[in-house]
Amino acid sequence: GAVVSQHPSWVICKSGTSVKIECRSLDFQATTMFWYRQFPKQSLMLMATSNEGSKATYEQGVEKDKFLINHASLTLSTLTVTSAHPEDSSFYICSARVGLAGRIYNEQFFGPGTRLTVL
Amino acid sequence: AQTVTQSQPEMSVQEAETVTLSCTYDTSENNYYLFWYKQPPSRQMILVIRQEAYKQQNATENRFSVNFQKAAKSFSLKISDSQLGDTAMYFCAFMKGVGTASKLTFGTGTRLQVTL
Repeated sequence: GAVVSQHPSWVICKSGTSVKIECRSLDFQATTMFWYRQFPKQSLMLMATSNEGSKATYEQGVEKDKFLINHASLTLSTLTVTSAHPEDSSFYICSARVGLAGRIYNEQFFGPGTRLTVL
Repeated sequence: AQTVTQSQPEMSVQEAETVTLSCTYDTSENNYYLFWYKQPPSRQMILVIRQEAYKQQNATENRFSVNFQKAAKSFSLKISDSQLGDTAMYFCAFMKGVGTASKLTFGTGTRLQVTL
């Protein structure tokens, strides 16, 4: 099956610093990648959608200048949390979608998540 | 906008028994997909089962089956012969249409505990 990896799996940083999270599709090319945020005991909230080579589309209420998303290749997307603050502490999950011509349904595969703690 | 509602925050079932998790959704779309995802303590999201709205037949995957009622906009998940490894958060999700613009909308989740 298709595998999506995230790095790092957990990170602790000081308030005011920036943190970059990588999301890679290991054995397939992902035309679209998604970034989600999940608070404890809550559901996944979509932050943004990115297509390779294009600017990311952010959901309402998500600060695009704070959460920078780059999707430079068909196998890599990065989320950079700039000037992180304690309220940015959360579990971040990426997802990659296979885009195959002629398919009715394009399956979406999830990474294992990254736990960010901002002190 | 689409909404997905899971009215059961927590459920408990004994091992080997059957449990049904509820999900309702609201949409004006006619072409869409419905999913159940499992998130165990590892927090890795795992696709359990999916249903295409245009298919009348309920989807089945081994011990997992759905009861899809399109007119009622209901999409429940039945887990038969529950196992300890089924303990997890279960999220119902909706996706309209196809193409690069389609995206998943998740419900609030149901925490399922399988007990001995």
